[in-house]
Amino acid sequence: ETGVTQSPTHLIKTRGQQVTLRCSSQSGHNTVSWYQQALGQGPQFIFQYYREEENGRGNFPPRFSGLQFPNYSSELNVNALELDDSALYLCASSPGQGGADTQYFGPGTRLTVL
Amino acid sequence: QKEVEQNSGPLSVPEGAIASLNCTYSDRGSQSFFWYRQYSGKSPELIMSIYSNGDKEDGRFTAQLNKASQYVSLLIRDSQPSDSATYLCASDHSGYALNFGKGTSLLVTP
Repeated sequence: ETGVTQSPTHLIKTRGQQVTLRCSSQSGHNTVSWYQQALGQGPQFIFQYYREEENGRGNFPPRFSGLQFPNYSSELNVNALELDDSALYLCASSPGQGGADTQYFGPGTRLTVL
Repeated sequence: QKEVEQNSGPLSVPEGAIASLNCTYSDRGSQSFFWYRQYSGKSPELIMSIYSNGDKEDGRFTAQLNKASQYVSLLIRDSQPSDSATYLCASDHSGYALNFGKGTSLLVTP
């Protein structure tokens, strides 16, 4: 177990709705990264937060946004859901000061958009 | 777009054999490389990290890195049916992200 938790486990939404996914990092891990994994693909980097500031962003539109809180929790928000947003959403925490340090993944949230 | 390439497989090996998984990357600036194992329906689990050219061994696993050839590999000795999974290769990208390949599916047959 990595000590990283995510909620909910599964979620079903309809196109156009908004969704919030949550993650709790390991205690002491100040960096959290979010990834999207479509079926049959590797995880794709969405963004990274370090000490509540966005540290880097992948090739995702602005309707993907995030927050990180002082208590090692974080959120991924997706507005105006599209069918292609159906995927496994993974958060990963790391002990480093931002950067591509060793990242430990949570169990993921499976999002289905109908 | 900097890429990490893996053969999607499936790679089938008999129980007890050595499984060899390969990965190439295009970003010459990458410094850190990782192998993750992912069982179906589960999240990626870190197996090995490697940062320097050469071999790094951890139990039945050996990671190999050749920066000149931009090549990373993972050897699994004495393969077990429980090793059957998708193996993801990742490199660091832009100093903060992990850039993943699509993964290689490994099947270890009894």
